[in-house]
Amino acid sequence: AQSVAQPEDQVNVAEGNPLTVKCTYSVSGNPYLFWYVQYPNRGLQFLLKYITGDNLVKGSYGFEAEFNKSQTSFHLKKPSALVSDSALYFCAAGAGSYQLTFGKGTKLSVIP
Amino acid sequence: DAMVIQNPRYQVTQFGKPVTLSCSQTLNHNVMYWYQQKSSQAPKLLFHYYDKDFNNEADTPDNFQSRRPNTSFCFLDIRSPGLGDAAMYLCATSRDMSTDTQYFGPGTRLTVL
Repeated sequence: AQSVAQPEDQVNVAEGNPLTVKCTYSVSGNPYLFWYVQYPNRGLQFLLKYITGDNLVKGSYGFEAEFNKSQTSFHLKKPSALVSDSALYFCAAGAGSYQLTFGKGTKLSVIP
Repeated sequence: DAMVIQNPRYQVTQFGKPVTLSCSQTLNHNVMYWYQQKSSQAPKLLFHYYDKDFNNEADTPDNFQSRRPNTSFCFLDIRSPGLGDAAMYLCATSRDMSTDTQYFGPGTRLTVL
């Protein structure tokens, strides 16, 4: 069975500081990995994905994520956080089938 | 702009009264998904269509049904809503399955009185 862990329910970071939102996964086979962001009462917005190739993936709004196969991690990062980045972030993983498994989400709060 | 549209954005129904949520897409994607998301939880896949082929998740209650009359539209029918069915319902589409990105609509928040 697939699983995705986001170990932090909430991450607080000061505006302008770098941010990291953690994600680890467990799948059978080669993983494909996604990050989505959700603002209140909205659907999920795609940020970036890893399928194959370069371990460092760059996405929307200055976000990037690093795939680490040995640690089965796919942490989301941004060099300088904005207050507007405050939202709920979901990591999702799949392998060889349509079904994505989502993590439970991490609430990011960027403090002015 | 190509997009995924959900109507209504907010739906209030009474306990046991059937309700239908709708989703449409202008992306011409083959796959359409319905997810249930309860407060601050991960989205839970209910079922999906690949073109006209319907695929139900094993743990999706029989109370939930779906129809896809054409490529653009997909409906979620809840035959007898219970209080536990109050949630955000998200529709998503993807060009194909597996590694293709899923694009989500804004969601419909269902309240059951």
